[in-house]
Amino acid sequence: AAGVIQSPRHLIKEKRETATLKCYPIPRHDTVYWYQQGPGQDPQFLISFYEKMQSDKGSIPDRFSAQQFSDYHSELNMSSLELGDSALYFCASSTRTGGDQPQHFGDGTRLSIL
Amino acid sequence: GQQLNQSPQSMFIQEGEDVSMNCTSSSIFNTWLWYKQDPGEGPVLLIALYKAGELTSNGRLTAQFGITRKDSFLNISASIPSDVGIYFCAGRDWGSQGNLIFGKGTKLSVKP
Repeated sequence: AAGVIQSPRHLIKEKRETATLKCYPIPRHDTVYWYQQGPGQDPQFLISFYEKMQSDKGSIPDRFSAQQFSDYHSELNMSSLELGDSALYFCASSTRTGGDQPQHFGDGTRLSIL
Repeated sequence: GQQLNQSPQSMFIQEGEDVSMNCTSSSIFNTWLWYKQDPGEGPVLLIALYKAGELTSNGRLTAQFGITRKDSFLNISASIPSDVGIYFCAGRDWGSQGNLIFGKGTKLSVKP
């Protein structure tokens, strides 16, 4: 079965640079969530989108923004990168059709800030 | 904010042993999920629980949604080497739009 696709898998940037992470949800999933996972930490919710509209917002810095496009893929844009932004960034998708559905995660983008 | 207390933090298993871990919260959740994460990969959904008191199995895995909606446990029977990894519980509350709150994880390792 098709899973959540994230790209790139690895990204190395320097401080103050920008980065764009992409997420392609499971086909027919209408909701996308972004999470950040620091080393040895649990995933922390950043932001979510349902039907291309922002649905909920968590601990996402103002330097980050995201959007969901008409084909339901999502992009997380990160600017003025800081050392502390080094982490794994996961995208998860689900559907609200048919009631409560669980989230399925991609394999993440490992972002390293030098 | 809401927090999930997951225990134990880590445990060592010998092949064939049964394993148990749990999560508790001071808040009520309407959904409990259990994920397994291997190094360098994303969390993989193991079991989803939607009703208080619900007991669900997935192969050697069994999980229950506590009757108070504030806790859940995961049992693994007859563990095998590929069970090693980090197990996360995650809860979703009534007020959220679906985003998950994760426990700190239980790291399963093989006994030396």
